[in-house]
Amino acid sequence: GNSVTQMEGPVTLSEEAFLTINCTYTATGYPSLFWYVQYPGEGLQLLLKATKADDKGSNKGFEATYRKETTSFHLEKGSVQVSDSAVYFCALSALGFQKLVFGTGTRLLVSP
Amino acid sequence: NAGVTQTPKFRVLKTGQSMTLLCAQDMNHEYMYWYRQDPGMGLRLIHYSVGEGTTAKGEVPDGYNVSRLKKQNFLLGLESAAPSQTSVYFCASRPEWRGINTYEQYFGPGTRLTVT
Repeated sequence: GNSVTQMEGPVTLSEEAFLTINCTYTATGYPSLFWYVQYPGEGLQLLLKATKADDKGSNKGFEATYRKETTSFHLEKGSVQVSDSAVYFCALSALGFQKLVFGTGTRLLVSP
Repeated sequence: NAGVTQTPKFRVLKTGQSMTLLCAQDMNHEYMYWYRQDPGMGLRLIHYSVGEGTTAKGEVPDGYNVSRLKKQNFLLGLESAAPSQTSVYFCASRPEWRGINTYEQYFGPGTRLTVT
C-alpha cells in the first residue's frame, strides 16, 4: 500500500540555521508528492509540491526534490526564521489524486 | 471568499452523546474530505465525497457517518460518541480533477472534540 514516513520531532533550531526534514515514501505507480505546513491553531496549507521524478518544488525559501531512486522527498531550507515554527507534513497522492496519504508530521521549533 | 469553514470550533461531549460537525466551502469544489488528527498519527481520512450526493469510506470510517446533500456542505456525524473519538477534526475540499494544478486540498481551521 501507500505510506509516508517522516522523521520524528521536534526539530529544534536556532534562527538562521539550516533545516532538513526527512521524508520517504512507499507507493504503487508514480505518485505526486507534497509538503503541507500547519501553523499553531490553523489548518494545513500546501507549502510545495512535485509531480514527477527529479522535479524540485520550492516556496518561501523551502525546497524539496522528488528522488525516485531513493523514494525520498526531503524538505530543506537554508536559513530558518522564528516564523517557520510549525508542524510539517509530507504527503503523497493516491487513487488518481482523489486522496492524500500523510506522514505523521514533524514539529519544528525555531528560537531567536 | 471564506474558503473552508468548520462549525463548531470546540466541543465537549459525554460518552454516548451524538453530534454533527459542519463543513462548508464557497469555492464550488467537487471533492470534500473529513480527517482526524491525533498525536503521532498524522492525518487519517475518515470519509470523503467526490460530488453532491456521494460519499465514500476512508481509512478510519467506523463510528462516523457523513452526508453531502448540498455541494457546498459536508456533514460528519457521531451517533454515539466514544472517548476514542477525542481528536481534532479537519475538513478539506478540492476542485474536480482537471490536470496537475487542481489537486491541492484546502483545509478548514479544525474542530477540537473531547469525549469524556
